[in-house]
Amino acid sequence: QSVLTQPPSVSGAPGQRVTISCTGSSSNIGAGYDVHWYQRLPGTAPKLLISGNTNRPSGVPDRFSGSRSGTSASLAITGLQADDEADYYCQSYDSGLYVFGTGTKVTVL
Amino acid sequence: QVQLQESGPGLVKASETLSLTCTVSGDSITNSYWSWIRQPPAKGLEWIGYIYYTGSTKYNPSLKSRVTISADTSKNQLSLRLSFVTAADTAMYYCARHPYFGMITTGDWFDPWGQGTLVTVSS
Repeated sequence: QSVLTQPPSVSGAPGQRVTISCTGSSSNIGAGYDVHWYQRLPGTAPKLLISGNTNRPSGVPDRFSGSRSGTSASLAITGLQADDEADYYCQSYDSGLYVFGTGTKVTVL
Repeated sequence: QVQLQESGPGLVKASETLSLTCTVSGDSITNSYWSWIRQPPAKGLEWIGYIYYTGSTKYNPSLKSRVTISADTSKNQLSLRLSFVTAADTAMYYCARHPYFGMITTGDWFDPWGQGTLVTVSS
């Protein structure tokens, strides 16, 4: 019942740039609600990667960047590294609920 | 360093009540709002609800009739109860902290999260 749609998977070679889209609607991202991103490495808890569309918490490498436009948001990973292989989720707000994206698995080739 | 640890039975029988605890260390639960979030196998993340230590709560309407979240300030713990469970409630359950001191907003994110605890509902 996720209201935010992400591609199931993206892949790239080490050093490359990949982007993950998060497509919403006029009731969530399009309504101006902030988008946040999480990384979940295998067997670990989700970790905040980007808050408030573009803000990196302390300790998150600047290889990770976020953006928002219209009814969508994107997470970009530059200089892809082996330990970036993980699941990534976007999150926003919609109709009184905190909502999440469908999740994207990033594979490093 | 704030740490959250979920605990509870890993197996619950259908139609019974799921009960989980989230123990917080490194922070007082009186400082922030706290949420429970779950993820069924091969499905997306679902926000269950939040609580403030005063007892103020808000639940996902899809679960509202079955869910109760509570807080125990003496133990610095949060609790989740979900009644009349079915196989659809089989999931990894997480607790997580909201970012602001004493305030809840539509722009909230969750940080940190607990490691999660897997609950399986058996028929």
